[in-house]
Amino acid sequence: QKEVEQNSGPLSVPEGAIASLNCTYSDRVSQSFFWYRQYSGKSPELIMSIYSNGDKEDGRFTAQLNKASQYVSLLIRDSQPSDSATYLCAVRIGNTPLVFGKGTRLSVIA
Amino acid sequence: GAGVSQTPSNKVTEKGKYVELRCDPISGHTALYWYRQSLGQGPEFLIYFQGTGAADDSGLPNDRFFAVRPEGSVSTLKIQRTERGDSAVYLCASSLKVAGGISGANVLTFGAGSRLTVL
Repeated sequence: QKEVEQNSGPLSVPEGAIASLNCTYSDRVSQSFFWYRQYSGKSPELIMSIYSNGDKEDGRFTAQLNKASQYVSLLIRDSQPSDSATYLCAVRIGNTPLVFGKGTRLSVIA
Repeated sequence: GAGVSQTPSNKVTEKGKYVELRCDPISGHTALYWYRQSLGQGPEFLIYFQGTGAADDSGLPNDRFFAVRPEGSVSTLKIQRTERGDSAVYLCASSLKVAGGISGANVLTFGAGSRLTVL
């Protein structure tokens, strides 16, 4: 059974702070890792993808992958109220469909 | 089209009725996925197509659920004898190709979803 675990939150951070979102996965052969953002009542939209161990930065977002610990995280620097959403972690093994976690609800307080 | 289009956006039906949900993927995307999302949960995989054939239907919960993609583009998810537990948002996504290795071509783009309510 492939599992992707996330803390459901809510995670509350003040505006301008760093938000840290975490995700663990059960299958060691997982190859591709994705973070999606989902605003309330909207569909998921891709923020970051990461495939190799280490950090990947894109603007205010940094994805971190540690395959040995089966752990992937998303850091959001200088958090803004507009970042308030649910963040979904998704994992893929080879050709299998994406497996999603339940998501972490982030609230950025102005 | 420019994005993944799903219709209807909302569907309210009575228990026991038949429902069809339609998905029009991004032009040129060969892979099409159906997911279901209940309140407070992440998307749950149902089925995906590579071209016209269902490559993996292991997520369909039971034989009341069926999906087709006869010409390799538009797909229809069909639910027979609906039950209250079928109420959810049904999300369709497409990608340029089926995931294999690491490539931007396997990134999923989602439609806005079809919200199904079974009374």
